[in-house]
Amino acid sequence: EDQVTQSPEALRLQEGESSSLNCSYTVSGLRGLFWYRQDPGKGPEFLFTLYSAGEEKEKERLKATLTKKESFLHITAPKPEDSATYLCAVIWVGTASKLTFGTGTRLQVTL
Amino acid sequence: NAGVTQTPKFQVLKTGQSMTLQCAQDMNHNSMYWYRQDPGMGLRLIYYSASEGTTDKGEVPNGYNVSRLNKREFSLRLESAAPSQTSVYFCASSQDMGKPQHFGDGTRLSIL
Repeated sequence: EDQVTQSPEALRLQEGESSSLNCSYTVSGLRGLFWYRQDPGKGPEFLFTLYSAGEEKEKERLKATLTKKESFLHITAPKPEDSATYLCAVIWVGTASKLTFGTGTRLQVTL
Repeated sequence: NAGVTQTPKFQVLKTGQSMTLQCAQDMNHNSMYWYRQDPGMGLRLIYYSASEGTTDKGEVPNGYNVSRLNKREFSLRLESAAPSQTSVYFCASSQDMGKPQHFGDGTRLSIL
């Protein structure tokens, strides 16, 4: 069964139209949840790490939040340059601190 | 600010050929990783090296071998390439296991 699930698979927004991406996980003993951005033809770029429920991190138009079963990446007033695939990954107890990735959300922001 | 450098960027092989993918990092990181990325599958860990001198299998190690040459370099070898190994391969490094990983820009490998 999938341990990390991202939704939606794809999202198309107009510039300025705020929305949220979801990353849900079924693991026990979460040790960390990571958000990455990946542009076409490039490697993932680290955005945030969240460690405990209730934690929030912000960077420009992005804000990541964490609950006991899921994380949200909120995008406020997006611009076309925010278009990318957003990946989440988790580490949990008993995995020797190895990341397990979701399949990502492809975000397209149009003018 | 090179970060993680992978070579080559593109490669086409025939079934049964061998090759080595190279990875080097200049951030003095202890841990290094090899992933493959396939459509609809997400990034999957092939092998990792928690520290210089150690290597361990990840989720999909069959058909691959690795060498941690020194603290900076971590190579991935395909001994007898198969079409199922057609993929994009990413190398990553982190200060230690569990810390944020930094990725190279990948090697796009096609096996005919």
